[in-house]
Amino acid sequence: QKEVEQNSGPLSVPEGAIASLNCTYSDRGSQSFFWYRQYSGKSPELIMFIYSNGDKEDGRFTAQLNKASQYVSLLIRDSQPSDSATYLCAVTNTGGFKTIFGAGTRLFVKA
Amino acid sequence: GAVVSQHPSWVICKSGTSVKIECRSLDFQATTMFWYRQFPKQSLMLMATSNEGSKATYEQGVEKDKFLINHASLTLSTLTVTSAHPEDSSFYICSARDTVNTEAFFGQGTRLTVV
Repeated sequence: QKEVEQNSGPLSVPEGAIASLNCTYSDRGSQSFFWYRQYSGKSPELIMFIYSNGDKEDGRFTAQLNKASQYVSLLIRDSQPSDSATYLCAVTNTGGFKTIFGAGTRLFVKA
Repeated sequence: GAVVSQHPSWVICKSGTSVKIECRSLDFQATTMFWYRQFPKQSLMLMATSNEGSKATYEQGVEKDKFLINHASLTLSTLTVTSAHPEDSSFYICSARDTVNTEAFFGQGTRLTVV
């Protein structure tokens, strides 16, 4: 089992729709969870982080965490073509010494 | 967010030569820096983790004698690819974080091409 798993996609949604990106992780001791966006040929940029169970909203983005299910998701409301990118889920290991990345989900937002 | 500067952004070198990549945290003290490699259309692969003043911890399968990492100060880490070969051509990215926050910030990445 991979430490952080994501559906590789591509996930295609129409402009204005909600995009839902999912991630599961294997380390039950993980405490910090991140979503990064990576455009082709560029390095990742941090979108959101979440530490506690529940929802965390920031503008059009909502991160959801369920530690019991070892599941974290990212919702993007009112998706725009500029949101088309690869979204990386990242999780710190027990103790927080290193950050493990999922393989990423490619999102296409159709105009 | 915090700023991490990576240099150079791209480099082309001849097979057998060495290349040094620098990663600097500009507005915070990076007690921990991470080095990743990413091949086209693949995920980020963690190569090593370095803490300031300590030897780097390398991931399984990463040759520590080939990928030399130095983290001598709280704002600078370097990765030297020694005796580079075409198969080392990749996108190398550093990230850094401080002791307070667990989120890491990425440098711009370095695209290495070995010819």
